[in-house]
Amino acid sequence: DAMVIQNPRYQVTQFGKPVTLSCSQTLNHNVMYWYQQKSSQAPKLLFHYYDKDFNNEADTPDNFQSRRPNTSFCFLDIRSPGLGDAAMYLCATSRGTDRSNEKLFFGSGTQLSVL
Amino acid sequence: AQTVTQSQPEMSVQEAETVTLSCTYDTSESDYYLFWYKQPPSRQMILVIRQEAYKQQNATENRFSVNFQKAAKSFSLKISDSQLGDAAMYFCAYRSANAGGTSYGKLTFGQGTILTVHP
Repeated sequence: DAMVIQNPRYQVTQFGKPVTLSCSQTLNHNVMYWYQQKSSQAPKLLFHYYDKDFNNEADTPDNFQSRRPNTSFCFLDIRSPGLGDAAMYLCATSRGTDRSNEKLFFGSGTQLSVL
Repeated sequence: AQTVTQSQPEMSVQEAETVTLSCTYDTSESDYYLFWYKQPPSRQMILVIRQEAYKQQNATENRFSVNFQKAAKSFSLKISDSQLGDAAMYFCAYRSANAGGTSYGKLTFGQGTILTVHP
């Protein structure tokens, strides 16, 4: 059974048109993360939520926002997508309680194309 | 800030042979964790193996083992008896042990190495 679910698998949007990517989890984990992975590059953390507390990375553009309405769901909003935002967006979760053995569970990602 | 470097963009291996993927990192911390993740064409990240910096013993998981050299800040992955299913992008990743509770899972990834397995 899928534990971290990302929909849709592929998303196409137009330049400047707002788009929302979704992530849900059945693990009841405290922490949810959004990573951006451009082609042939390392995944880069955009932000994460610990429960309702939002933690933004210093170099994440303002164009990227996130919402976590409840434990199970987390959304990534791109307010005005540019061509440079085309990437795979990976959602991950972790318990947030085990300092020494924290394990991340990843979804299958959403591949975003910007036309 | 920590950095992770994988100097091999691509590697290839014959089925049943052994291959080693390289990873170096830079940190001023003494306590941290290192990981190897596999990302197959399905793009889902899968944890392969994990190493705690305070442990001198190299981690092993079945056909996967690491060579952890703390002084050299090196963390290579050895895959023995390679199988076709091992073909994937492999990422080395670092996590600070000093991160606060909200950052227990925050990883810094290397650029990745594409592994091809030839039958």
